[in-house]
Amino acid sequence: GIQVEQSPPDLILQEGANSTLRCNFSDSVNNLQWFHQNPWGQLINLFYIPSGTKQNGRLSATTVATERYSLLYISSSQTTDSGVYFCAVDSGGGADGLTFGKGTHLIIQP
Amino acid sequence: ETGVTQTPRHLVMGMTNKKSLKCEQHLGHNAMYWYKQSAKKPLELMFVYSLEERVENNSVPSRFSPECPNSSHLFLHLHTLQPEDSALYLCASSFNLLAGGQYFGPGTRLTVL
Repeated sequence: GIQVEQSPPDLILQEGANSTLRCNFSDSVNNLQWFHQNPWGQLINLFYIPSGTKQNGRLSATTVATERYSLLYISSSQTTDSGVYFCAVDSGGGADGLTFGKGTHLIIQP
Repeated sequence: ETGVTQTPRHLVMGMTNKKSLKCEQHLGHNAMYWYKQSAKKPLELMFVYSLEERVENNSVPSRFSPECPNSSHLFLHLHTLQPEDSALYLCASSFNLLAGGQYFGPGTRLTVL
């Protein structure tokens, strides 16, 4: 099956800093999503981005499908940005669901 | 997000109990999913339903039994679980299998004693 690797696994930043999270995947994808998992376990949709670039406030994402990677940018970090960020992909017709990476654990210190 | 709801949010059960997890989506989607998130492991897919029909997934033990009575509701029936089944169980939905993103519920945190 498809492999998804996220880096870095852990990231500690001061409030106000910018960060870049990376997701590499081993095969072509039909679907790529970025999620933020809050401390209560809820997976919050950030982006649905199988290709191209999108922006939503302080967050933006870029997927270069031909090179099999995606980047999530967080600017002017706030303490509420802390949590685990997951990249997930679907390479088939949807019947295999999403394959998740292990996540990047982000801690924003005040 | 309130598009996908799950009940109960927390559940503690013994190994001989029978319980059910419920998921409801209010998004008009046609595909629903169960995922399991164990400590320090990536989320893993358990079951997929499309238009109320189950897409076969043979890697899940039979002590987990899904049910999809209609496109808005999904259940996960649990019986004779093991302590290693303790995990966060997440439900998701999507417009269909081929298009759009998946939207997740808040999860049920299950502890098996």
